[in-house]
Amino acid sequence: AQSVTQPDIHITVSEGASLELRCNYSYGATPYLFWYVQSPGQGLQLLLKYFSGDTLVQGIKGFEAEFKRSQSSFNLRKPSVHWSDAAEYFCAVGTGGGADGLTFGKGTHLIIQP
Amino acid sequence: NAGVTQTPKFQVLKTGQSMTLQCAQDMNHEYMSWYRQDPGMGLRLIHYSVGAGITDQGEVPNGYNVSRSTTEDFPLRLLSAAPSQTSVYFCASRRQGGNNQPQHFGDGTRLSIL
Repeated sequence: AQSVTQPDIHITVSEGASLELRCNYSYGATPYLFWYVQSPGQGLQLLLKYFSGDTLVQGIKGFEAEFKRSQSSFNLRKPSVHWSDAAEYFCAVGTGGGADGLTFGKGTHLIIQP
Repeated sequence: NAGVTQTPKFQVLKTGQSMTLQCAQDMNHEYMSWYRQDPGMGLRLIHYSVGAGITDQGEVPNGYNVSRSTTEDFPLRLLSAAPSQTSVYFCASRRQGGNNQPQHFGDGTRLSIL
């Protein structure tokens, strides 16, 4: 069965600074990888996804993520954070067939300091 | 342009009461699923459906029932609520064809069991 680890429960970053959120996955085949963002009281919004091809994927809101098979990682990055980026971020993995849904990490809570 | 609609948004129940959480989507998506979100646990799959008349269990199905009589609706039933079912519940839908299809989440139902 697949699993996802997000090692950082909370991360605090100053506004304008760069950001990297870590995600490690465990899956036997080529995974389908996702990053979602959840603002307080809201549902989940897809930031970006990786299925195959170029290992550096671009998403919405200026986010990008890099798939590294050798490290089983899919870290999320942003060069300069804005106060509006404060939210909960979830990494998720799924099978290609997808019938059994997505497996989510426990989330990383991002705090932006002025 | 409703997407995935969940009702109610908030609910408080007493232990032992029954309740149905509603989920409707207007995108003609074949695949629908229910997740629960608990602090520090991420999202965990409860049940899913690949089409009308077809449902299956996810990671944490105990205490929940589902049915799928139409493509649009996928209600989640708690037959006898327990405090351990206090959580935020998310419904999601996507087209058939696996995890390369974009998944749409509702805004969630926040359920408290006293």
